[in-house]
Order: sequence, then C-alpha cells, then structure tokens
Amino acid sequence: DTGVSQDPRHKITKRGQNVTFRCDPISEHNRLYWYRQTLGQGPEFLTYFQNEAQLEKSRLLSDRFSAERPKGSFSTLEIQRTEQGDSAMYLCASSFVTSGRDDEQYFGPGTRLTVT
Amino acid sequence: AQSVSQHNHHVILSEAASLELGCNYSYGGTVNLFWYVQYPGQHLQLLLKYFSGDPLVKGIKGFEAEFIKSKFSFNLRKPSVQWSDTAEYFCAVNAWSGYSTLTFGKGTMLLVSP
Repeated sequence: DTGVSQDPRHKITKRGQNVTFRCDPISEHNRLYWYRQTLGQGPEFLTYFQNEAQLEKSRLLSDRFSAERPKGSFSTLEIQRTEQGDSAMYLCASSFVTSGRDDEQYFGPGTRLTVT
Repeated sequence: AQSVSQHNHHVILSEAASLELGCNYSYGGTVNLFWYVQYPGQHLQLLLKYFSGDPLVKGIKGFEAEFIKSKFSFNLRKPSVQWSDTAEYFCAVNAWSGYSTLTFGKGTMLLVSP
C-alpha cells in the first residue's frame, strides 16, 4: 500500500499523559498536513510542513502540541499533558506541490485518541 | 478567514433518487474547491476538485459538481444514487494564496436505502 499511513490507529491514554503519533506520507510528496476531527465536525487544520519546514500553525494548536518532520519524510505529532478535550481523530494528509500551486491532499486513516 | 457551509447534516434517499448536496463558502479571492467522501470505516477520499476552467467538474463514481462563482457555491450532484453511496460527504475550500490549509464543512451524512 503506497498511501498515507498513520500509527497507532487507536490510542487510549489517561489525562495528563503525553502521546505521540506518527504519519508516513506518500513517498514523493513534499507537503504534509495534520488535521483534527471531532464527532459531527469536518477536519480542522492544525499545521503543515513543506519538506522539513513547518510553514503554518493554526491557533487551535496550543503550546501542548508540537509537530516535527525532521528529514522531510515522516512526521510526528506530540501532545503533552493530554486533556479530555484532546479526544479526537487526528488525520494526516500529504500532497505534492510544484510552482506554488496547491494540489489535492491524500488522507491517511487517522489516529483515534481517547483521553480518559 | 475562509469558511464552508454545508446545508444538510443528514440526507436520506432511496436508490435511484437524484442527489444534490449544497456547499457555500466565504472567501473573496481565488479558491480551489473539493468534495471528499468518507465511506463507513474508511478514510477520506477525494471525489472531485475544481481549480480553474470549466466550472462543471466530473469526479469518480458518477458524481459531478458545479462551481458558481457569483453564488460562492460548489454543489455536488449525482443523477441516480446507489446503496453504496452511503457515506459522509465533505466540501472543502483552499484559498489559492500559496497556503495549503483546507477548510472543511461539517459534512453531510447520506444514507441510501435499497
């Protein structure tokens, strides 16, 4: 399967714990995005990378959230001191962009986080 | 800031009925428009997209959408739905400003009864 993959698919954690999610984009894609989706809502943008550079962060991304893409390939999203409000599906997407023009984003299956 | 409004949260149709899902966006500049679908237990998949050119775009599985710039709308249509079209449908907009952030609507859950 050459699509976007995410790991783990499900994560249950206790409030106050730290969690880290991983996303592997489609191999030739230079952009990688993180979204969060809660029940009854569409995905909400969190942050995105072009290669290894983090270009934009949503105001939804509090100081407890950090994302990295150290070598321009896979990315990690860490949530520190989790809160019950962090319970959501965390989606990763990737795309290949040339000449500054956006292209379609391909989504992974998501990581469902439950904070108890 | 851009926003997307989907008119219906839930739609129930019988097989062979025609479908139209409404989508309106608010952004004054040039936009890219998308419809994504999420089948039960699966991840988001692109149905169709509009970047420029012919405002009537055709996607997979017989879906099409029409971009009406004056109405800031990008409605999704299918002349005859099938049970397998049961899914959640999301309209999304991306302001063509060099940034890649997609803004999604809240989604429309379509249930097609056989």
